[in-house]
Amino acid sequence: DGGITQSPKYLFRKEGQNVTLSCEQNLNHDAMYWYRQDPGQGLRLIYYSQIVNDFQKGDIAEGYSVSREKKESFPLTVTSAQKNPTAFYLCASSIDRSTEAFFGQGTRLTVV
Amino acid sequence: QKEVEQNSGPLSVPEGAIASLNCTYSDRGSQSFFWYRQYSGKSPELIMFIYSNGDKEDGRFTAQLNKASQYVSLLIRDSQPSDSATYLCAVNNGANNLFFGTGTRLTVIP
Repeated sequence: DGGITQSPKYLFRKEGQNVTLSCEQNLNHDAMYWYRQDPGQGLRLIYYSQIVNDFQKGDIAEGYSVSREKKESFPLTVTSAQKNPTAFYLCASSIDRSTEAFFGQGTRLTVV
Repeated sequence: QKEVEQNSGPLSVPEGAIASLNCTYSDRGSQSFFWYRQYSGKSPELIMFIYSNGDKEDGRFTAQLNKASQYVSLLIRDSQPSDSATYLCAVNNGANNLFFGTGTRLTVIP
């Protein structure tokens, strides 16, 4: 089955720790995205990538880092510099930046 | 001014009625418009996209686009309780950036 897989579904982080959220797609899409969603809020773009080895900051990139070493994979690291990381994180991909995006099932990150 | 604006609701309609969800956008160069449905605790799923002025129908869903008024809407006919969700409007502006609205929460009352 083609799709986007995020893991883990739930993640708990202690303050001061870095954590990495996984996102893998087998749709052969060039563009991939990371969004953050807070309760009752819309989606805010963290980072996006249009091609392997290239990525751009979105609206709220501070405290986050990404890599795009393979077309299929776009992991997101939430660093200790992100002061309020508790949120629902969504990875998405699209054929290119002008077409519709498809989402993974999300990772819910909680700081304990 | 936000790129994409939606009434956050909640919007309540009785079962069988028409639900009307609205969205306005700020960039006149926007080319692509999308509606996503998001159930509580789940990820958004694409239900409609529209690129040209006018109406586009898919089953019980109709997307309407008016570029002159910078307005896009989603009509859900014969609303069902299973349609209860948050509906997100997304707009791809002229610079190929995809912006999402904050969503409208719809409740269909049996």
